[in-house]
Amino acid sequence: AQSVAQPEDQVNVAEGNPLTVKCTYSVSGNPYLFWYVQYPNRGLQFLLKYITGDNLVKGSYGFEAEFNKSQTSFHLKKPSALVSDSALYFCAVRDLNSGGYQKVTFGTGTKLQVIP
Amino acid sequence: ETGVTQSPTHLIKTRGQQVTLRCSSQSGHNTVSWYQQALGQGPQFIFQYYREEENGRGNFPPRFSGLQFPNYSSELNVNALELDDSALYLCASSLAGVNQPQHFGDGTRLSIL
Repeated sequence: AQSVAQPEDQVNVAEGNPLTVKCTYSVSGNPYLFWYVQYPNRGLQFLLKYITGDNLVKGSYGFEAEFNKSQTSFHLKKPSALVSDSALYFCAVRDLNSGGYQKVTFGTGTKLQVIP
Repeated sequence: ETGVTQSPTHLIKTRGQQVTLRCSSQSGHNTVSWYQQALGQGPQFIFQYYREEENGRGNFPPRFSGLQFPNYSSELNVNALELDDSALYLCASSLAGVNQPQHFGDGTRLSIL
């Protein structure tokens, strides 16, 4: 079975400071990892994905994520936070061994609050 | 490029009723998945359709069923509604392939009274 943990319900950061949203995963094989963002009353928007290759993945809106296999982590980062980054962030994993369909398991989400 | 659209936006039903939610996939996408997102939770996978066939299912009872049409649009049907079915229902479309990101609609907010 595959699972994702987002240990922080909320992260507060001052505008202009770097931000990190944490995610750890568990899969039986090699993982595909994703980050999505959700604004109030909206669906999820894709930010970035890790499939293979470079452990540092760059995505939309200046976000990046670092894959660490030994720590089974995929933390989301941004060098300088904007107030408009305030939203709910979801980490998600798909196990390569989960079969031919795209069952994606989501974490419980982390609310990011950027303080002006 | 048209994104994923879902209808209706909001819906109120009573226990025991049946509901149909609709989703139009993003242009060119042949795979659609449905998720249930309860308040304060992450999305939970219900099932996925590819080429009009269900090819994956999460831990949801058979009263949750679906259809995918030749134009790749999709329906989610829920029978015998229960109070716990109150949630945001999200549709996500993608190209087939293990590493393809999913593109989500804004969801249907279903409230059961």
